Amino acid sequence: QVQLQESGPGLVKPSQTLSLTCTVSGDSINSAGYYWSWIRQPPGKGLEWIGYIYYSASTYYNPSLKSRVSISIDTSKNQFSLKLSSVTAADTAVYYCARDSPERRFDSWGLGTLVTVSS
Amino acid sequence: QSALTQPRSVSGSPGQSVTISCTGTSSDVGGYNYVSWYQQHPGKAPKLMIYGVNKRPSGVPDRFSGSKSGNTASLTISGLQAEDEADYSCCSYAASYNYVFGTGTKVTVL
Repeated sequence: QVQLQESGPGLVKPSQTLSLTCTVSGDSINSAGYYWSWIRQPPGKGLEWIGYIYYSASTYYNPSLKSRVSISIDTSKNQFSLKLSSVTAADTAVYYCARDSPERRFDSWGLGTLVTVSS
Repeated sequence: QSALTQPRSVSGSPGQSVTISCTGTSSDVGGYNYVSWYQQHPGKAPKLMIYGVNKRPSGVPDRFSGSKSGNTASLTISGLQAEDEADYSCCSYAASYNYVFGTGTKVTVL
């Protein structure tokens, strides 16, 4: 059974870059047909898709965040990562990594990690 | 892209049925049969309940069902149980390799 685990700083200063890593176990990140996504949820608000990456390193991003987002993949470590630049308080959220399976479903999620943007 | 519209809250007594709507556009809900639904208990990660509009993953009770008509998708919980009290969010694949989530609905079991 696949498991995902987010890691990274819980506090980021305004204007800096948020960096998170998702470690995948129980499945190869090279598996064909699976995409690897980042999704966030501000406190008390709904979910927002940030973007995803394929094992070939092809990426797709939410248009509203595209100018600030970068997702990368390290197949040797079975990890993928998120960078979000020029953060503000509005980027404070629980950040989840998730597996996007065939038929466009997020069938496995990490536990989530709260990132607070504050000086 | 705007979030899909869901009612803020719905409620029902144990054993009753509740339906949550999820309204989008022809560029997302209406354009693809890739609508999924997620259940989220407080402080927990979302859990996939329905995908492909009306398919249930293994282990999800059959009292959860999904449907779609035009630009609106729906999740119905039949025979409501106490453990069904949670937040529910819809999600749709959208044009240009995107996804859009719903605004979220809190289900209360009276």
